Amino acid sequence: KQEVTQIPAALSVPEGENLVLNCSFTDSAIYNLQWFRQDPGKGLTSLLLIQSSQREQTSGRLNASLDKSSGRSTLYIAASQPGDSATYLCAVKGAQKLVFGQGTRLTINP
Amino acid sequence: EPEVTQTPSHQVTQMGQEVILRCVPISNHLYFYWYRQILGQKVEFLVSFYNNEISEKSEIFDDQFSVERPDGSNFTLKIRSTKLEDSAMYFCASSLTSGRFIRSAQYFGPGTRLLVL
Repeated sequence: KQEVTQIPAALSVPEGENLVLNCSFTDSAIYNLQWFRQDPGKGLTSLLLIQSSQREQTSGRLNASLDKSSGRSTLYIAASQPGDSATYLCAVKGAQKLVFGQGTRLTINP
Repeated sequence: EPEVTQTPSHQVTQMGQEVILRCVPISNHLYFYWYRQILGQKVEFLVSFYNNEISEKSEIFDDQFSVERPDGSNFTLKIRSTKLEDSAMYFCASSLTSGRFIRSAQYFGPGTRLLVL
């Protein structure tokens, strides 16, 4: 059974810092991995999808990496801004369903 | 930009009552999903739906749950006899394709917060 873990559970950094969020999964037989952002009480916003054959995917200040063999992904956020404050979720995809991690609650302090 | 919409945003119901949660997926998407998130817990998969059939369901999706695409735009989740533990945020999602590629990215609606009393 696929298990997804995100570390740390919470992170607080000053504005302008670069930061890395971590995601690990137990079964490397995945189709792809998606990173989402969730604001309090709101839905999930898709940030990046990285295919199982890819090593990296970039969108603006965000860069996601994937090491399928070791069951790890990272989300790198460059030059963080207060508007980046949210919970970040990673989810791995089998044939149909996404399996989610618990999320990292990120706070960017002005 | 196209988005998934859900109604209602909040629903309060009495235990044992039936509820129907509604979703309008992105118009050209072919795969539809329901997930739920109990407060403070992970987002959990409930069911996926393609070509008017359930294609995968989780252990949570028992006989009290059903899904339907009653017309060309709506996708519904029915809970027949609600229990206290059904209280959660329910998310609808859709994707253009399934499988490995970027077009299989799932896009989520804003959710319906269900409270069972």
